[in-house]
Amino acid sequence: AQKVTQAQTEISVVEKEDVTLDCVYETRDTTYYLFWYKQPPSGELVFLIRRNSFDEQNEISGRYSWNFQKSTSSFNFTITASQVVDSAVYFCALSESGYALNFGKGTSLLVTP
Amino acid sequence: DTGVSQNPRHKITKRGQNVTFRCDPISEHNRLYWYRQTLGQGPEFLTYFQNEAQLEKSRLLSDRFSAERPKGSFSTLEIQRTEQGDSAMYLCASSLPSGGTTDTQYFGPGTRLTVL
Repeated sequence: AQKVTQAQTEISVVEKEDVTLDCVYETRDTTYYLFWYKQPPSGELVFLIRRNSFDEQNEISGRYSWNFQKSTSSFNFTITASQVVDSAVYFCALSESGYALNFGKGTSLLVTP
Repeated sequence: DTGVSQNPRHKITKRGQNVTFRCDPISEHNRLYWYRQTLGQGPEFLTYFQNEAQLEKSRLLSDRFSAERPKGSFSTLEIQRTEQGDSAMYLCASSLPSGGTTDTQYFGPGTRLTVL
């Protein structure tokens, strides 16, 4: 069963629009970690954020922000004022008691000028 | 700071041949991971090393796959008797223990394998 669901397969926005990428996860563990990675066309996964299950504070980093809600098992990612360079596939991932990251299928974001 | 490096970046082979990939982690990162990513999917975990010890293996890692990290530095992933279904991007990641059970993993550029 898929532990991380990214329901949006592809999103297309025009530059300067805000966009939110959804991530819903499933776990029975009380301690777990959530991640977001960016995979640009070059292919290399770039780490964006790591969040543990005990820290529900939202985080903002420049134009990026993350909303973690345990009540809905969601860890959504918002890009404000999107830019063409944000075009990439974005992956949400869950790590439970082991070391493996369980990735969602990714959301492909296309930002057009 | 040099990131994770992987060689070769691309490999084309014929079905039935053996292939070997190499991963050099970020220096001082004693944890190393292998993942496989097929088109349109997220990466899938294959195996994990702490130093030279292989501590976790996925059921995806069939008998034809073997990974080693002999001196706790670089790692190799070998696929024997390749099949067309092995065509994928093979990703390596490394991490430094952060005190918890899950560190932040930093990924290399991957090796794209095509089996004809």
